[in-house]
Amino acid sequence: SQELEQSPQSLIVQEGKNLTINCTSSKTLYGLYWYKQKYGEGLIFLMMLQKGGEEKSHEKITAKLDEKKQQSSLHITASQPSHAGIYLCGADVTTSGTYKYIFGTGTRLKVLA
Amino acid sequence: DVKVTQSSRYLVKRTGEKVFLECVQDMDHENMFWYRQDPGLGLRLIYFSYDVKMKEKGDIPEGYSVSREKKERFSLILESASTNQTSMYLCASSLRVRMRYNEQFFGPGTRLTVL
Repeated sequence: SQELEQSPQSLIVQEGKNLTINCTSSKTLYGLYWYKQKYGEGLIFLMMLQKGGEEKSHEKITAKLDEKKQQSSLHITASQPSHAGIYLCGADVTTSGTYKYIFGTGTRLKVLA
Repeated sequence: DVKVTQSSRYLVKRTGEKVFLECVQDMDHENMFWYRQDPGLGLRLIYFSYDVKMKEKGDIPEGYSVSREKKERFSLILESASTNQTSMYLCASSLRVRMRYNEQFFGPGTRLTVL
């Protein structure tokens, strides 16, 4: 099973609607990162969260980290077609005392104009 | 701004050919990574380098090798390309902070097709 589970796998929303993407780790998190990928291109770093309860915003995108649940949520307010793409979470985790960087499988977002 | 560049956006090779994918970063990052991305499988780490001439195997190193002779450059080599290596290849770099990773900066990707 995936060490970093993202949900949902895909999402289609009408422009202007709000949406949330979740990322849950089965390992202890030391840092949680959100990336966006436009189709067929590389990943663009959005935000990094390191402390429990931390919340960061970038334009209309807000991310929170719930350390107890080992989970992060990415919330987009008033979605626009420019928000379309694949959102991936990445995480610094430890496995048997060794640090490792892992990625979720991504959430494919489509925004209908 | 950090810039990570990859030598080709699209590449078509024949089975058995030796393939070189090059990656260059301009921010003096210690860490460099090679991933492949396939539908339904997400990003999988092939190799990782934390310093010049240092490398570590990732999750799927079989059929690949790497070279890091200079800090800014990390090459991925497919010794004898096979059709199951058709994929999107992504290079990334990051600072290494207190033995942990940091946010990664990605190149635009190379879509490799092996016929």
